[in-house]
Amino acid sequence: ETGVTQTPRHLVMGMTNKKSLKCEQHLGHNAMYWYKQSAKKPLELMFVYSLEERVENNSVPSRFSPECPNSSHLFLHLHTLQPEDSALYLCASSRLGTSGGFGADTQYFGPGTRLTVL
Amino acid sequence: TQLLEQSPQFLSIQEGENLTVYCNSSSVFSSLQWYRQEPGEGPVLLVTVVTGGEVKKLKRLTFQFGDARKDSSLHITAAQPGDTGLYLCAANNAGNMLTFGGGTRLMVKP
Repeated sequence: ETGVTQTPRHLVMGMTNKKSLKCEQHLGHNAMYWYKQSAKKPLELMFVYSLEERVENNSVPSRFSPECPNSSHLFLHLHTLQPEDSALYLCASSRLGTSGGFGADTQYFGPGTRLTVL
Repeated sequence: TQLLEQSPQFLSIQEGENLTVYCNSSSVFSSLQWYRQEPGEGPVLLVTVVTGGEVKKLKRLTFQFGDARKDSSLHITAAQPGDTGLYLCAANNAGNMLTFGGGTRLMVKP
């Protein structure tokens, strides 16, 4: 049973639309992540928030804009996307590691939002 | 950026067969994780290995971390249709973010 929920589960949007993806975690974690999973590439880390502050932005185009208003919620705002942005967008959360690192502790993933850009 | 290569990319077998999937890199990892992802769901952690040469077992799944901590394998004994899914390895290097391999898509036919 996942403690990370994502809405919507499916989204179809035109290139001129603005939409937002929402992620909520009920696990008491203090780090949250956005990943992109497309058919022909490995899972790609997009953004990381630690204690509600962005600590990683992996050269993601500005048409993706994350927001983390509190430790339980994470948003990904989308505008003027391209067809190649069609993918599964996954949110994850974790505790920070004992040394403050991210990878050592288990990341719990949500079910993802399947995005199609027409 | 460390690159994780998984092989094979696709594997289709009959129920009851054994299989091994591999995760390799030229980099040394501080730890490595294996996830399974089923259609319509996010990845779920199966195991974390941290010590070179470590072997962990989870029912019919056996995970091994290479002595040099550059590679790992997942062996499934007597595969069942419920094992069908995408198997992902992910590496952590000294507190950095996780890097994922491309995955092995396994189908087990009844």
